[in-house]
Amino acid sequence: DAGVIQSPRHEVTEMGQEVTLRCKPISGHNSLFWYRQTMMRGLELLIYFNNNVPIDDSGMPEDRFSAKMPNASFSTLKIQPSEPRDSAVYFCASRRDRAVYGYTFGSGTRLTVV
Amino acid sequence: QKEVEQNSGPLSVPEGAIASLNCTYSDRVSQSFFWYRQYSGKSPELIMSIYSNGDKEDGRFTAQLNKASQYVSLLIRDSQPSDSATYLCAVPRGVTGGGNKLTFGTGTQLKVEL
Repeated sequence: DAGVIQSPRHEVTEMGQEVTLRCKPISGHNSLFWYRQTMMRGLELLIYFNNNVPIDDSGMPEDRFSAKMPNASFSTLKIQPSEPRDSAVYFCASRRDRAVYGYTFGSGTRLTVV
Repeated sequence: QKEVEQNSGPLSVPEGAIASLNCTYSDRVSQSFFWYRQYSGKSPELIMSIYSNGDKEDGRFTAQLNKASQYVSLLIRDSQPSDSATYLCAVPRGVTGGGNKLTFGTGTQLKVEL
């Protein structure tokens, strides 16, 4: 089991540029979550998918953020245009429904917008 | 009131002592609770889950749950320097407490000193 795989690990971009973060969940896990972590706000849920369908995107900060899950093995989080305040670590996590355990997190993408 | 509250710390304990980490939650119907450990620069890692009132032990870790007081704690016996990390309490959201979304506390930083 390769775990949840995220790419890139680090991303530095200039303000105004488009940023795309990628995630491959654990095979067989049908729920996928995108979180953002900052020192000030901790771990915040941005959006989650169940069986590839977006269920709750109430945590997406604004229209500049969008997420897709075209199939069970791939999801993207896009920021366009990026701003310095988007700088954070973005985590993807997955879970199998009705599992009694919590999520498994990916290694995260550290985004810096300059 | 925040959904999940933790003292940010840092909590400093000497090596070999018991570290006690506390968490309170606001949703009375929550049924499952999770403790994650996060080393600096790494992703959160699930270390304990608890569903019933009382104590649950796993090696040096003991989770304690009191649903009437809406309180969950994590005890680490014989603390080691390798236990130095941030510990995150997580509670599912949802009317039934079995919601698919985990809400995280901001975490307590633990430092185990030689």
